Amino acid sequence: DVVLTQTPPTLSATIGQSVSISCRSSQSLLHSNGNTYLNWLLQRPGQPPQLLIYLVSRLESGVPNRFSGSGSGTDFTLKISGVEAEDLGVYYCVQSTHAPYTFGAGTKLELK
Amino acid sequence: QVQLKESGPVLVQASETLSLTCTVSGFSLTNYGVIWVRQPPGKGLEWMGIIWRNGNTDYNSALKSRLSINRDTSKSQVFLKMNSLQTDDTAIYYCTIHWFAYWGQGTLVTVSS
Repeated sequence: DVVLTQTPPTLSATIGQSVSISCRSSQSLLHSNGNTYLNWLLQRPGQPPQLLIYLVSRLESGVPNRFSGSGSGTDFTLKISGVEAEDLGVYYCVQSTHAPYTFGAGTKLELK
Repeated sequence: QVQLKESGPVLVQASETLSLTCTVSGFSLTNYGVIWVRQPPGKGLEWMGIIWRNGNTDYNSALKSRLSINRDTSKSQVFLKMNSLQTDDTAIYYCTIHWFAYWGQGTLVTVSS
């Protein structure tokens, strides 16, 4: 199974600060069809996860453009350009290139 | 609009079988797959398995021996069954559409010893 390693496990930020989260895969997430199925989710306390980014860098409808995704192959990054209070929670990367799909362990974004 | 809703028991005895239902609306199960995900209290997300739009399934390697996912397309329902439950199966169980854009609210299942 594919292992996704997220770093850091915890991130402390002030409002307005820009932050990045890394997600590294144990094998390439490039599918034979040419797509890379790496997604980013945000889970706020007491809520189900919410899709932020799909196919590495495509912003889900309704998600603010301060969120951006990048990367290829085995290394991926989620960047938040100017953290807002509503961004606090746990961020997960999840791959859907190889079945069984797998999640990263999560990165908790806190206020400093 | 797309909606998913989990239902099932809130308390299950250890060694018994868990049966959960995900009822969907706004899309057809023959067009999109449905995934089950669980989250133990205070922990991360675990991908359990998927039933694809053609009815095929894939499972988490660690759960494969005791997990099955089926569906009734006429009722727009997906079913999860997992046997030989243990206390560490206590979790919130979510169903989500194939590409994670829509989620149910989740249902907390407690396994009692």
